[in-house]
Amino acid sequence: EVQLVESGGGLVQPGGSLRLSCAASGFTVSSNYMSWVRQAPGKGLEWVSVIYSGGSTYYADSVKGRFTISRDNSKNTLYLQMNSLRAEDTAVYYCARTNVLRYFDWVPLFDYWGQGTLVTVSS
Amino acid sequence: SYVLTQPPSVSVAPGKTARITCGGNNIGSKSVHWYQQKPGQAPVLVIYYDSDRPSGIPERFSGSNSGNTATLTISRVEAGDEADYYCQVWDSSSDQGVFGGGTKLTVL
Repeated sequence: EVQLVESGGGLVQPGGSLRLSCAASGFTVSSNYMSWVRQAPGKGLEWVSVIYSGGSTYYADSVKGRFTISRDNSKNTLYLQMNSLRAEDTAVYYCARTNVLRYFDWVPLFDYWGQGTLVTVSS
Repeated sequence: SYVLTQPPSVSVAPGKTARITCGGNNIGSKSVHWYQQKPGQAPVLVIYYDSDRPSGIPERFSGSNSGNTATLTISRVEAGDEADYYCQVWDSSSDQGVFGGGTKLTVL
C-alpha cells in the first residue's frame, strides 16, 4: 500500500527556515517523480516543486531561489528545505507522488498524496 | 505561465448533472487532470487525461476537453459529491505544474 507521511511543519518567523519531510512506503521515491503542493488557508492548490527520478528539480516562480527539493534514497524520504520564509508561504504542504501514465502524452499527474503538514509564517 | 480559469462555485440539486469548467488558451491541445478535495482531506484524482477514470471512481464522473474549455461532468449528483474540484495541467515549457483556482460544488 502506498503511503506518504509529511512532518516538519510548524510556526516560524518571517525570514526563518524550515525543512519538511515526506516519508514514503509502498514504492521507491528515487524511481518516481515527486512533488510538493501547497494550499494556503481557505485557498486553492498551488504546485511548488518537483524532483524527477533522474534528479532534475524545478520550482514555482514564487519559491525559486528560496526552496530546495531533495530526497534521501536510503530513507525513501522526500524533503523540502524552505529558507527566507514569508507570510505568504503559510499553507498546508502536501507531498505527492507524480506519475506519468502515457509517455507519448507527457503530462504528470498526482496520484498519491500525503495528509499534509501546516507551515505558519508569523511573528 | 499557463493560466487555468475555473468558476468559484457551482450549485446543483441532488440527482441532477453538474458541469465544472476549466478554461485555458487552446486547452483542448493539452491533457487535463481533475481532483476532488473534501474539507480537511488531501485531494483525490478523479479524472486523468481528460476523460479517464482511476479505479474506484464512479462512472458518474466523466470529462471532456475541446477548444478553450475542459469540463468535468458529474451525473446523478449525490450529497457526497460536495467538494472542491481542481483542474490541472503541466507546463512543459517551464516544467511546472499548474492548477486551476478550484470550484466549490454545492449540492442543494
